[in-house]
Amino acid sequence: DAGVIQSPRHEVTEMGQEVTLRCKPISGHDYLFWYRQTMMRGLELLIYFNNNVPIDDSGMPEDRFSAKMPNASFSTLKIQPSEPRDSAVYFCASSKDRAGYNEQFFGPGTRLTVL
Amino acid sequence: AQRVTQPEKLLSVFKGAPVELKCNYSYSGSPELFWYVQYSRQRLQLLLRHISRESIKGFTADLNKGETSFHLKKPFAQEEDSAMYYCALSGGGGSNYKLTFGKGTLLTVNP
Repeated sequence: DAGVIQSPRHEVTEMGQEVTLRCKPISGHDYLFWYRQTMMRGLELLIYFNNNVPIDDSGMPEDRFSAKMPNASFSTLKIQPSEPRDSAVYFCASSKDRAGYNEQFFGPGTRLTVL
Repeated sequence: AQRVTQPEKLLSVFKGAPVELKCNYSYSGSPELFWYVQYSRQRLQLLLRHISRESIKGFTADLNKGETSFHLKKPFAQEEDSAMYYCALSGGGGSNYKLTFGKGTLLTVNP
């Protein structure tokens, strides 16, 4: 198993452009999480899904951010329009629903730079 | 609200010395605590969970509810322990899968 797959690994774009980040969770995992990592704020949960349904999006910074999970094997995080302050590393993680055991498996991350 | 505090951004020790990475939390219920680690050029991965009460790579962590702490300890640090360490918390009972992370501590073990 290749683990959680994210693409692209690096993205450089200009302010105002739309950015789409992609994630493929581990097969059979019920939960999918999107995180943002910055020096100032550390690792922050943006949104998570259970069985493709968004459960908690309270961490999404503003309406410019949106996330979808059309099926169990694919999720996207979209930023439109992008701004320089969105520059960060974005991680996707997935986990299997087991009572009392919720280890999250992380992808390699997407390093986003907005100029 | 859930909050995790790791007071040290950087921690440097010599090989063979004891190491302790501090973690304090704020949570009104019964939390589950974790330590995640990210080695250079590798993915963030789970190191240990408090409910397992296990030792992984020589590391242990004890949940102290009175002091609301979950410090990570190792008696003799090794160079391969150099990494970024994150303390994380989730609501207990298996019903809350939302993890709140601390800002992390970068551990450097010098030869």
